[in-house]
Amino acid sequence: DTEVTQTPKHLVMGMTNKKSLKCEQHMGHRAMYWYKQKAKKPPELMFVYSYEKLSINESVPSRFSPECPNSSLLNLHLHALQPEDSALYLCASSQEGIRWDRDTEAFFGQGTRLTVV
Amino acid sequence: DQQVKQNSPSLSVQEGRISILNCDYTNSMFDYFLWYKKYPAEGPTFLISISSIKDKNEDGRFTVFLNKSAKHLSLHIVPSQPGDSAVYFCAAIAGGTSYGKLTFGQGTILTVHP
Repeated sequence: DTEVTQTPKHLVMGMTNKKSLKCEQHMGHRAMYWYKQKAKKPPELMFVYSYEKLSINESVPSRFSPECPNSSLLNLHLHALQPEDSALYLCASSQEGIRWDRDTEAFFGQGTRLTVV
Repeated sequence: DQQVKQNSPSLSVQEGRISILNCDYTNSMFDYFLWYKKYPAEGPTFLISISSIKDKNEDGRFTVFLNKSAKHLSLHIVPSQPGDSAVYFCAAIAGGTSYGKLTFGQGTILTVHP
C-alpha cells in the first residue's frame, strides 16, 4: 500500500465556516506534510510533522491549524479563510522527515480542491 | 528567490521520440533531487530521484542526469508515449537537516503527440 488518502476531494466553504481536511497513510511513514498549490504554481510547503511533532511551520497564518493525532493521520483545520486561500491542498508522507537518503521518496495524496467563497 | 527553476513552461514531442526536461538550481546545499509527474486535479506522482553522489539514475524509460558543477539536472523519457503527457515538476532537498522540505520548480507541461 503506497497510498496517501485525502478527504474530501473537493470542499467549498464560506469565510465564516470551520472545516477540516484529512490525510491518512498506512505505510509506516513517520513524516507527514501539508503543501498548498495555487493554479499554475509549484506546490509550496506549509507544515511538516516528524514523529507526530510539528517540525516546520512555513509562516502559515493561524487560520490554518495542523494536527497530527497519530502517526497515520494528519489533519488541517480551517477557520475564517479568505478567498485567496482557494487552492489545491496536498498531503504527503515520507519514511523519515529529518534525514533524506537516496532511497527516500515523498508520496503525495490526490489533494483537496478548496474553494473559499 | 526561486531556488529551483524549470525555464521551459512547455514541451511538445512526437510519440516514440525522446523528451528532455530541464531543471536548474541555485542552492548548493541541495543534495537530493526528485522528479514528479502531475495530472490535472491530482497530486504529484513520484517518478525518479538522484542523489548528488551520482550523475545518472535510470528506471525503465526514465533517466535523470545530474551535473553538479552546472547545478543542472535533466529528465529523459525514451520512448515518449501519449500517456506521458502531464506536468513534470523537479524538486530538490537538502538532505541533512531539511526536515523534509521539498522545493519545487515551476513545472513543465509535456505534450506527447501520437
